[in-house]
Amino acid sequence: AQSVSQHNHHVILSEAASLELGCNYSYGGTVNLFWYVQYPGQHLQLLLKYFSGDPLVKGIKGFEAEFIKSKFSFNLRKPSVQWSDTAEYFCAVNSGSARQLTFGSGTQLTVLP
Amino acid sequence: DTAVSQTPKYLVTQMGNDKSIKCEQNLGHDTMYWYKQDSKKFLKIMFSYNNKELIINETVPNRFSPKSPDKAHLNLHINSLELGDSAVYFCASSQEQGFPYEQYFGPGTRLTVT
Repeated sequence: AQSVSQHNHHVILSEAASLELGCNYSYGGTVNLFWYVQYPGQHLQLLLKYFSGDPLVKGIKGFEAEFIKSKFSFNLRKPSVQWSDTAEYFCAVNSGSARQLTFGSGTQLTVLP
Repeated sequence: DTAVSQTPKYLVTQMGNDKSIKCEQNLGHDTMYWYKQDSKKFLKIMFSYNNKELIINETVPNRFSPKSPDKAHLNLHINSLELGDSAVYFCASSQEQGFPYEQYFGPGTRLTVT
């Protein structure tokens, strides 16, 4: 069975700092990779996704992620965070044949003004 | 014109009761899902359903049952509620054809069992 690990449970940054959130998955076949964001009290929104092609994908709100197949990783990055980026971030994966998403445990990002 | 909607947003009930949460999507998707988010924010798939098959996560108690009157709806019925059922329940949908399984989530239903 596939699994997703997010090792950073809580990250605290000051505004304008750079962000990198780690995501590793365990599945050897073809995968689809996603990052979702959940703002306080709200539903999950898709930040970006990777299916194939260029391993560096750009999403909304200045976020990007890089798929490194050899490391089974899909880390999320943003060069300069804002206070409004405070939220819970979830990495998710499904394999080529499965519909269901497997989520990581989430990373709470707090950006201090 | 909400894409995926859920009702109610909040549900407070007592142990032993039976309750339902409704989900509707207007995206024309053919697959719908229910996820449970616990107090530690961990998200876990409960069911996925399209007109071909229902896939149940084996860890979900049989007190939980999805009911789909049509392609646009997947309701979650819970019998004999327990304290441990308290959580936020999210409905989602996707289109099996096209971008593989990009899922759109509803706003969630916060269930509190007392």
